[in-house]
Amino acid sequence: GAGVSQSPSNKVTEKGKDVELRCDPISGHTALYWYRQSLGQGLEFLIYFQGNSAPDKSGLPSDRFSAERTGGSVSTLTIQRTQQEDSAVYLCASSRPSKRQGFNYGYTFGSGTRLTVV
Amino acid sequence: DQQVKQNSPSLSVQEGRISILNCDYTNSMFDYFLWYKKYPAEGPTFLISISSIKDKNEDGRFTVFLNKSAKHLSLHIVPSQPGDSAVYFCAASAFTGGTSYGKLTFGQGTILTVHP
Repeated sequence: GAGVSQSPSNKVTEKGKDVELRCDPISGHTALYWYRQSLGQGLEFLIYFQGNSAPDKSGLPSDRFSAERTGGSVSTLTIQRTQQEDSAVYLCASSRPSKRQGFNYGYTFGSGTRLTVV
Repeated sequence: DQQVKQNSPSLSVQEGRISILNCDYTNSMFDYFLWYKKYPAEGPTFLISISSIKDKNEDGRFTVFLNKSAKHLSLHIVPSQPGDSAVYFCAASAFTGGTSYGKLTFGQGTILTVHP
């Protein structure tokens, strides 16, 4: 597609339920990132996939959070046993491969999934 | 540990005047810096970037300045327009080797309001 697509755009769930958030990156973008923005906060890094390399999971806040990327394309972020503090906008971004000197376009973000845990 | 900080949560400017958004960082390994703009209900969009080998990069009404010794960068918008009203995030990247992007570390954002 032309851009990064995320679904659903909004999700309201009860505390304790599991949720899955989906991201369709731009075709040909080998890098995929998940961030979240809590109310009044900046963009918090969660996880990063780059090609066939092991993902960088250093930003996942707890073991209730996991993500996978199938076939180097679509990614799913799963939050188990959701808590109210998980309420945030979850943003996915992708980027194309580039040599370091050509790094000048940054990421392309999706519109995000607004998760509300009640 | 907030490695990228935007200490001004909001900024209000009159149309036609200059908007100056500031960003400080603590990680000396950062060598590439970017600014993103975000409208409500949309994802952030790339605005302008600067490499650490430069101290200034200009693109139309937008100029980014980098002061490495002070670990400080700023975004200047001249002249400011009402359509510039948005949240502005600065971001930084450290070279991780190879031919891939590393992750970006973002600041908290500054809400810019440009009044007609």
